[in-house]
Amino acid sequence: DAGITQSPRHKVTETGTPVTLRCHQTENHRYMYWYRQDPGHGLRLIHYSYGVKDTDKGEVSDGYSVSRSKTEDFLLTLESATSSQTSVYFCAIKPDRSYEQYFGPGTRLTVT
Amino acid sequence: TQLLEQSPQFLSIQEGENLTVYCNSSSVFSSLQWYRQEPGEGPVLLVTVVTGGEVKKLKRLTFQFGDARKDSSLHITAAQPGDTGLYLCAGANDYKLSFGAGTTVTVRA
Repeated sequence: DAGITQSPRHKVTETGTPVTLRCHQTENHRYMYWYRQDPGHGLRLIHYSYGVKDTDKGEVSDGYSVSRSKTEDFLLTLESATSSQTSVYFCAIKPDRSYEQYFGPGTRLTVT
Repeated sequence: TQLLEQSPQFLSIQEGENLTVYCNSSSVFSSLQWYRQEPGEGPVLLVTVVTGGEVKKLKRLTFQFGDARKDSSLHITAAQPGDTGLYLCAGANDYKLSFGAGTTVTVRA
């Protein structure tokens, strides 16, 4: 299994509060990704990173920000959580010169 | 709008039967991947196909990439209850993946 962990695994928070999800890898890969998974939509890309301090937006980036200060950690922040951000969030890593991505176990976030 | 369309959305079959899942798009991809996901877990990569017309076999699973690199299929022979799960196809371009909505497969014992 790829060395990728996510924390927390479950979180319940209230509308309007900030939330940060963490993705940690031990593989030293340059590429890291954040996705959300909702019924009927598969996985949709939120943000991705191609190196320390190098990030870019995905297809559903509104309301989310990311940071990557170290190769091993990629943080996803919801500045002010809304109920529409209730979802399961997955982090993924990708080796250089490969198409394949490897996923973490996910974080289930509920915004009440 | 989903870039990749998967069909069917749900599939329920008896153990021992065969099944095929389809993944179609109007876009060309550098590669196409298939993942399987079980409840409460992240997707796990099954296979990557890169060349148009490519066929890969993984035990009872056969994967095909269309000649034009826009579509793919996954065929399972003699399905077993352990094949139950959500099957996702994903097309790769520019270091990013676009996913289909998934096919939920249930194999009844």
